[in-house]
Amino acid sequence: DVQMTQSPSYLAASPGESVSISCKASKSISNNLAWYQEKPGKANKLLIHSGSTLQSGTPSRFSGSGSGTDFTLTIRSLESEDFAVYYCQQYNEYPPTFGSGTKLEIK
Amino acid sequence: EVQLVESGGGLVQPGRSLKLSCAASGFTFSNYYMAWVRQAPKKGLEWVATISTSGSRTYYPDSVKGRFTISRDNAKSSLYLQMNSLKSEDTATYYCARHLYYYSSPFDYWGQGVMVTVSS
Repeated sequence: DVQMTQSPSYLAASPGESVSISCKASKSISNNLAWYQEKPGKANKLLIHSGSTLQSGTPSRFSGSGSGTDFTLTIRSLESEDFAVYYCQQYNEYPPTFGSGTKLEIK
Repeated sequence: EVQLVESGGGLVQPGRSLKLSCAASGFTFSNYYMAWVRQAPKKGLEWVATISTSGSRTYYPDSVKGRFTISRDNAKSSLYLQMNSLKSEDTATYYCARHLYYYSSPFDYWGQGVMVTVSS
């Protein structure tokens, strides 16, 4: 199985700041990488797929980059609604696997 | 509006069975691959099963293969997960999810989840 290593596991930032979350795959997954947002009481939300393609409804302050084994989710000008847990997921091969998550909290 | 609503969770003893359901609305259910994903307490997400649009093809990880069965009823816009021989490590919140395209694609809509606790 493809192992997905996400870092950091915890991140504290202030509204208006920019943050980046890293996701590394144990083997090349081309650009078959998605990012999700998890918030309490809400359904998980697909933010980005194909490494860098914003899903409909995702604000433009979110961006994704990378291919092969190294990927990054960047959130610019953090807003209060962005404080959540973020997961990466590879779907290049079965079984699809997820990173362990990054909890983004308000500093 | 796409909605996925899971039901059927609860407390079950090890070795017993449980069947989860997911009611879908707001889209043409029969056009999409569907899946179940779970999250054990304080753990990450784990894909559990995927089913093709017609139901003729199913996919499972080794951790549940032979014990879990995913199925669907397109006439009722419903997805199911039959879980047999349950183990304590199956304790998790189970999410119904829609694949964006086909089986090798991300999940663009998720339900809010249903809790399954396997304990004596």
